Amino acid sequence: DTGVSQDPRHKITKRGQNVTFRCDPISEHNRLYWYRQTLGQGPEFLTYFQNEAQLEKSRLLSDRFSAERPKGSFSTLEIQRTEQGDSAMYLCASSGGQGTPSYEQYFGPGTRLTVT
Amino acid sequence: QKEVEQNSGPLSVPEGAIASLNCTYSDRGSQSFFWYRQYSGKSPELIMFIYSNGDKEDGRFTAQLNKASQYVSLLIRDSQPSDSATYLCAARRGSNYQLIWGAGTKLIIKP
Repeated sequence: DTGVSQDPRHKITKRGQNVTFRCDPISEHNRLYWYRQTLGQGPEFLTYFQNEAQLEKSRLLSDRFSAERPKGSFSTLEIQRTEQGDSAMYLCASSGGQGTPSYEQYFGPGTRLTVT
Repeated sequence: QKEVEQNSGPLSVPEGAIASLNCTYSDRGSQSFFWYRQYSGKSPELIMFIYSNGDKEDGRFTAQLNKASQYVSLLIRDSQPSDSATYLCAARRGSNYQLIWGAGTKLIIKP
């Protein structure tokens, strides 16, 4: 399967714990995006990378959220000191081949986070 | 006013009919537009994208873009029950790679 993959698919954690999610983009894509989605809403942009550089981060994102893409391949999203309001689907998407301006984003299956 | 607006629905269409989904955007700098389908509990799946004014057809789907009126639409011909889902519209501004998303329209195809 050459699509975007995410791990884990589901995570249940207690309030105050830290969680980390992983995303593996489509191999030839150089851009990677993280979104959060709650019921009845469209995806909410969190951050995006071009290769290993984090180019944009949402102003809505608190300091408890951090993302990395150390070698320009897979990415991790960490949430520290989780709160119940963090419960959502966390989506990863990728786009763009090397040297192409392709803008279409392809999503992974998502990680559903439940904070109890 | 949200940058990308969609009627939340639900939009109910009989099987075999044409479903028409609409999206308006406020930023005239928006360059390209995307339609995604999302089944309940699943992630968004790209259906079509359109960059130029006019119509773009792909199988049973037609995307329409009118930049002067700032709206985008998606037509689904010969609607099937499997088309029942939430349809998300997204816009890209200028050279920015970030997409601005609508909240989606829930479509129900009745057998």
